[in-house]
Amino acid sequence: GDSVTQMEGPVTLSEEAFLTINCTYTATGYPSLFWYVQYPGEGLQLLLKATKADDKGSNKGFEATYRKETTSFHLEKGSVQVSDSAVYFCALSDTGTGGFKTIFGAGTRLFVKA
Amino acid sequence: DADVTQTPRNRITKTGKRIMLECSQTKGHDRMYWYRQDPGLGLRLIYYSFDVKDINKGEISDGYSVSRQAQAKFSLSLESAIPNQTALYFCATSDPGTKSDTQYFGPGTRLTVL
Repeated sequence: GDSVTQMEGPVTLSEEAFLTINCTYTATGYPSLFWYVQYPGEGLQLLLKATKADDKGSNKGFEATYRKETTSFHLEKGSVQVSDSAVYFCALSDTGTGGFKTIFGAGTRLFVKA
Repeated sequence: DADVTQTPRNRITKTGKRIMLECSQTKGHDRMYWYRQDPGLGLRLIYYSFDVKDINKGEISDGYSVSRQAQAKFSLSLESAIPNQTALYFCATSDPGTKSDTQYFGPGTRLTVL
């Protein structure tokens, strides 16, 4: 079945450091890929998405490229801020089967120190 | 006002009690979902509904039931709560008119079963 694997956390960085959170997936159809972010005490919210191979999603300085050849969707940011401290979830929605459900990774907690 | 609201936000109950968690949305979406979040496990799907007459089990539906009272309302019930149902519960919606099935989450209900 479909699955999402992302790097375990927590990840601790200093402000202005470069961030990479790895995400790989398995899917039988043609999935859309997502990164969601969860700030303390809140629900998840969409950070960025990509709907087909080679698409790049971007938002708030974060980027991720849909790599079909490596089945990956790694999240990157060139210079993190303290306000980026949150839990990040990689997810897929398999539109090949009607897109009826989303599969989430386990989440990666990011701490950014001032 | 928030697009997806959940009540209550926090609840402490005892083993064996029946409890209902409620979700309302103003986004006009047909699809609604209930997820459970546990540390290190990401989000797991409990139930989902594509419209008022359509209810489907997710991967962890045992011990839970749902009711879709209207397009805007989707309730989750624990008929006889047990301690391992202690978790953070999220309601979400999505729009079937979009290709990618982006999910929109409520703020969550923290449930503790003693």
